[in-house]
Amino acid sequence: RKEVEQDPGPFNVPEGATVAFNCTYSNSASQSFFWYRQDCRKEPKLLMSVYSSGNEDGRFTAQLNRASQYISLLIRDSKLSDSATYLCVVNGAGGGNKLTFGTGTQLKVEL
Amino acid sequence: EPEVTQTPSHQVTQMGQEVILRCVPISNHLYFYWYRQILGQKVEFLVSFYNNEISEKSEIFDDQFSVERPDGSNFTLKIRSTKLEDSAMYFCASSRAQNTGELFFGEGSRLTVL
Repeated sequence: RKEVEQDPGPFNVPEGATVAFNCTYSNSASQSFFWYRQDCRKEPKLLMSVYSSGNEDGRFTAQLNRASQYISLLIRDSKLSDSATYLCVVNGAGGGNKLTFGTGTQLKVEL
Repeated sequence: EPEVTQTPSHQVTQMGQEVILRCVPISNHLYFYWYRQILGQKVEFLVSFYNNEISEKSEIFDDQFSVERPDGSNFTLKIRSTKLEDSAMYFCASSRAQNTGELFFGEGSRLTVL
């Protein structure tokens, strides 16, 4: 089983749509969880942290289910500028920012 | 906005040659990292560095790799004898704290080994 598993997509959605991405992780001792965004041939950038209580930042909502080892990201009212690859990221049991990245889910928002 | 800067943006080298990739982390950050991304694959951790020594390294970071902070601003990754499979984008990153998961990445150095 992959350490962090994501559906690669692509997800092609019209502007204004709501889209959800899922991710599972294998190490139950993992400490913290994040969504990063990566534009084509660019560096990853932190989008948001993920907490069991849920975390909302504008149009973006992230959720963690520790029991199921499952992480989600919901994007509401998607914009053309949301087109990117969304990386599910886990900080390992030892912490220390030794991040484990998923392969990413590609989102294309279309007119 | 402060940022992590990396040079060169692209380097082409012959197999067996030594390569040094340079990074200037954000000035008030204390933790430094190198990650790499082979084309079409996921971002992978190589090494973390704090207080002038390696904190942790991955299996990828073998004896061919080394890191150094030669002065107060630069953080370098050296590959002693490059192999074809070292071709990748190498990202430097820095963070204020150790366990936040909030890393600031540079734009990357693309290494092509021929």
